[in-house]
Amino acid sequence: EAQVTQNPRYLITVTGKKLTVTCSQNMNHEYMSWYRQDPGLGLRQIYYSMNVEVTDKGDVPEGYKVSRKEKRNFPLILESPSPNQTSLYFCASSLSRGLLTYNEQFFGPGTRLTVL
Amino acid sequence: QQQVKQSPQSLIVQKGGISIINCAYENTAFDYFPWYQQFPGKGPALLIAIRPDVSEKKEGRFTISFNKSAKQFSLHIMDSQPGDSATYFCAASITGAQKLVFGQGTRLTINP
Repeated sequence: EAQVTQNPRYLITVTGKKLTVTCSQNMNHEYMSWYRQDPGLGLRQIYYSMNVEVTDKGDVPEGYKVSRKEKRNFPLILESPSPNQTSLYFCASSLSRGLLTYNEQFFGPGTRLTVL
Repeated sequence: QQQVKQSPQSLIVQKGGISIINCAYENTAFDYFPWYQQFPGKGPALLIAIRPDVSEKKEGRFTISFNKSAKQFSLHIMDSQPGDSATYFCAASITGAQKLVFGQGTRLTINP
């Protein structure tokens, strides 16, 4: 089954304790992205990757890191989490085939993070 | 700065009625406008999308109306059903850029 998976689905942690949220897709997609969803703000892009070893900042990158060592994986790293990073996080992926096309983004099931 | 503004934040409609959600954008470079549907505990999923070369797109009970001069687009759900109860997000993108800019979301409830 074609899908985007995220782990863990739920996480409660404390301020300053490093954590990683994993994201994996099995569709051979070039483009991957992380969003956070907050009430009244919709989904905001944190980081994205156009392909392996190519990552760039989105709209709200502060406090986050990413890496793209393999095409299928795009982990989100919080080096020193703070309470304002309490949110619902989504990973998404899509094909990226040229400048004249837009390709549907497929979203994972989400990770609900609480930072105390 | 919210590049895509969505309203209302919440909407309650009776079964069989018409649900209407509105979005407005600022960046005239946007040329792809999808709507995503999100059920509780799930990630958003593409529902329907439109490009600005047409004023309307219909797929089943779902219709996007697009007004390029006003920089507005809306989602109409005809004959709304309880199974349509979900959060709906409008979004905008530039072809080739892949990045989606989302509206704030609308929580739709269809009462039986």
